[in-house]
Amino acid sequence: GAVVSQHPSWVICKSGTSVKIECRSLDFQATTMFWYRQFPKQSLMLMATSNEGSKATYEQGVEKDKFLINHASLTLSTLTVTSAHPEDSSFYICSARVAVSTDTQYFGPGTRLTVL
Amino acid sequence: LAKTTQPISMDSYEGQEVNITCSHNNIATNDYITWYQQFPSQGPRFIIQGYKTKVTNEVASLFIPADRKSSTLSLPRVSLSDTAVYYCLVLSGGYQKVTFGIGTKLQVIP
Repeated sequence: GAVVSQHPSWVICKSGTSVKIECRSLDFQATTMFWYRQFPKQSLMLMATSNEGSKATYEQGVEKDKFLINHASLTLSTLTVTSAHPEDSSFYICSARVAVSTDTQYFGPGTRLTVL
Repeated sequence: LAKTTQPISMDSYEGQEVNITCSHNNIATNDYITWYQQFPSQGPRFIIQGYKTKVTNEVASLFIPADRKSSTLSLPRVSLSDTAVYYCLVLSGGYQKVTFGIGTKLQVIP
């Protein structure tokens, strides 16, 4: 149980285009999902917290107009990188919280974004 | 939000037991200790979670002393496939924000 999927697993795009990444909880409902970014040889950095039916909460330094997050249902959250540039190239990982009491998060496999 | 400290790296030979200790001196009453494993270019994988004393599952054991200011992840008889980065996190019930440290890079040597 507690499986989280991401699509696509990797994407290559030209500078200036927008890219959408989907995060799905396959066997449970997740009222809260999280989006992280990880650069090579670094740890995960939280970008935003996504709550179903409400606006996402962004971490300091993360541009909300550039990284659009939509959490329209209890099993799906999407991250859209708008007008992507080479510096946005990174590994994007989502997670979904299972239980409020322990705050356990289960992570997706990640999406490798390369912007040319 | 409790800060955690763990070794940056560890080496171990195949077949040995590996213990990775994490300190979390300012852990709060409602906090749980959670460990994740991450392979390159993959999302972190949940390993084990505990509140106090000892927790064991099919993958690992987690030892937490009475004061809960530290915890030890124990991996029995590691294999090459256990080479990964291991993250220790302290999570509060209902507290949404999670901060990852740099983790412990475990290298298993043949």
